[in-house]
Amino acid sequence: QKEVEQDPGPLSVPEGAIVSLNCTYSNSAFQYFMWYRQYSRKGPELLMYTYSSGNKEDGRFTAQVDKSSKYISLFIRDSQPSDSATYLCAMLSGGYQKVTFGTGTKLQVIP
Amino acid sequence: NAGVTQTPKFQVLKTGQSMTLQCAQDMNHNSMYWYRQDPGMGLRLIYYSASEGTTDKGEVPNGYNVSRLNKREFSLRLESAAPSQTSVYFCASVEYSGNTIYFGEGSWLTVV
Repeated sequence: QKEVEQDPGPLSVPEGAIVSLNCTYSNSAFQYFMWYRQYSRKGPELLMYTYSSGNKEDGRFTAQVDKSSKYISLFIRDSQPSDSATYLCAMLSGGYQKVTFGTGTKLQVIP
Repeated sequence: NAGVTQTPKFQVLKTGQSMTLQCAQDMNHNSMYWYRQDPGMGLRLIYYSASEGTTDKGEVPNGYNVSRLNKREFSLRLESAAPSQTSVYFCASVEYSGNTIYFGEGSWLTVV
């Protein structure tokens, strides 16, 4: 069983829709949770970072962490065609700088 | 500020050839990483260096060697390339707190 599970998609939504991207994990030591966006033929770039359970909002993006269920989500409001990319969740256990990534979910926002 | 720079961007190798992927960061980060990314497999850690002078194996180290030349540079070497090493390789560096990883643009490697 992988430490981090993420549905690969692809996920196709109309412009303006609310998108929900999710990851589950099995390692209770994970304390830091990140979402990365990766455009085609580019390196991943950090979107959101959080270390506690609850919600964190940044513009149209909301990261949600539920440590009791070992479940994290990224919500994108008013999705735009420019949001079309692969989204990777990533997790880090405290005091040890090895990051574990999900396999990524490919999102397409259709105009 | 260039961030993380890796070279070459594209390379085609014949089976058995050797090559080195170069990576440099200008953010004064202690930790540096090499990942490979394959369809359906996500990003898998090959080797990492928590600080200058130290290197450790990650999830998929077989067939690779690394050198942390100094704080800025972390190279990945394929001694005898195999078709299974056809992949996209990403170098990354991490600030001390570990909560932000900065990636290079990637190196597309094909082994024929």
